[in-house]
Amino acid sequence: NAGVTQTPKFQVLKTGQSMTLQCAQDMNHNSMYWYRQDPGMGLRLIYYSASEGTTDKGEVPNGYNVSRLNKREFSLRLESAAPSQTSVYFCASSNPLPGEQYFGPGTRLTVT
Amino acid sequence: AQSVTQLDSHVSVSEGTPVLLRCNYSSSYSPSLFWYVQHPNKGLQLLLKYTSAATLVKGINGFEAEFKKSETSFHLTKPSAHMSDAAEYFCVSYQAGTALIFGKGTTLSVSS
Repeated sequence: NAGVTQTPKFQVLKTGQSMTLQCAQDMNHNSMYWYRQDPGMGLRLIYYSASEGTTDKGEVPNGYNVSRLNKREFSLRLESAAPSQTSVYFCASSNPLPGEQYFGPGTRLTVT
Repeated sequence: AQSVTQLDSHVSVSEGTPVLLRCNYSSSYSPSLFWYVQHPNKGLQLLLKYTSAATLVKGINGFEAEFKKSETSFHLTKPSAHMSDAAEYFCVSYQAGTALIFGKGTTLSVSS
């Protein structure tokens, strides 16, 4: 089992460009999450999907969109990247207890 | 409202000495509590969880935590630090029907 995988590992964007971060899990988990991690801020939830076909906003959803493509895949899209979105992005999945999450290795995004 | 406070942003210990990372929670009801560890440039990994069973919880790599309702605390301990324990540690709270709440993290440094 690969667990939770994320692509790409690193990305540099110019302001205004768009991109999609991909996440997949092979643990048959119902719930999936996107977080961003910034120094001194811990992890902040961007969006989550409690089950296939549903998505909900987290603490910091502005500037992002998500798609739960199927049970395995949950993507995060930046439509028009801004320097404030420079961060490390983590995808996670869980089942059944939401607190017991499995994290991917992260995507380090820089927006110039 | 739920909140999690990690009382130290940075803890330094010598190899072979005890580790204590402090976490206080605030919740109207007894939440589920978790500790996660993040090694440099890696995703988060679950260390241990408390879900209202035994108040002393054992985790991986010799870590344990004790849930103390009277003190609203869930401190993480290890009897003897190892160099490989150097990482960032997150205390996390979850209450049914709400989102996960992450503490801001404690960086553990271990010197030889």
